[in-house]
Amino acid sequence: DAGVIQSPRHEVTEMGQEVTLRCKPISGHDYLFWYRQTMMRGLELLIYFNNNVPIDDSGMPEDRFSAKMPNASFSTLKIQPSEPRDSAVYFCASSPRAPNYGYTFGSGTRLTVV
Amino acid sequence: GESVGLHLPTLSVQEGDNSIINCAYSNSASDYFIWYKQESGKGPQFIIDIRSNMDKRQGQRVTVLLNKTVKHLSLQIAATQPGDSAVYFCADSGNTPLVFGKGTRLSVIA
Repeated sequence: DAGVIQSPRHEVTEMGQEVTLRCKPISGHDYLFWYRQTMMRGLELLIYFNNNVPIDDSGMPEDRFSAKMPNASFSTLKIQPSEPRDSAVYFCASSPRAPNYGYTFGSGTRLTVV
Repeated sequence: GESVGLHLPTLSVQEGDNSIINCAYSNSASDYFIWYKQESGKGPQFIIDIRSNMDKRQGQRVTVLLNKTVKHLSLQIAATQPGDSAVYFCADSGNTPLVFGKGTRLSVIA
């Protein structure tokens, strides 16, 4: 199994531009999570899906952030427009059967907004 | 929501010594606890977990201790090696997505 795959690994963009982060979860995992990691705030849950349906998006910081999961093998996190304070490492994780069990994380996308 | 916290942000240990990383949690309803290891440039990786009906669980070179009375858990690493250098996170859950602490950075001195 290739694990959770995220792309791109690094993204540098200018303020105001749209950014799309991508994630392919492990096949058969019912849950998908998007986390953001910063030095100040640590790992924060942004949103999670169960069977492609968003369950809790209360961690999404602003309307500039949106996430979709059109099918069981793909999810996107979009920021439009991006701002310097969005600079962070964004992780996707998937879980086989429960929202609290057996997380596998991807390698993350390091986003820098200049 | 309730949060998971850590007593020490950094820990330096001599190679070969034992390491102890501590974690406090505040959610009384949590019944499942996990330790993750994050190496530089990588995502967090599962190390070991423990359920609230246990107070100790052992893995390979790692032991997790849970004290529900004071809401405290610890990760013990035996014979610490350079490859153990990383940030360690505890996480807890009461059947909701995991809440992570900010982590403890473990540095192994050769």
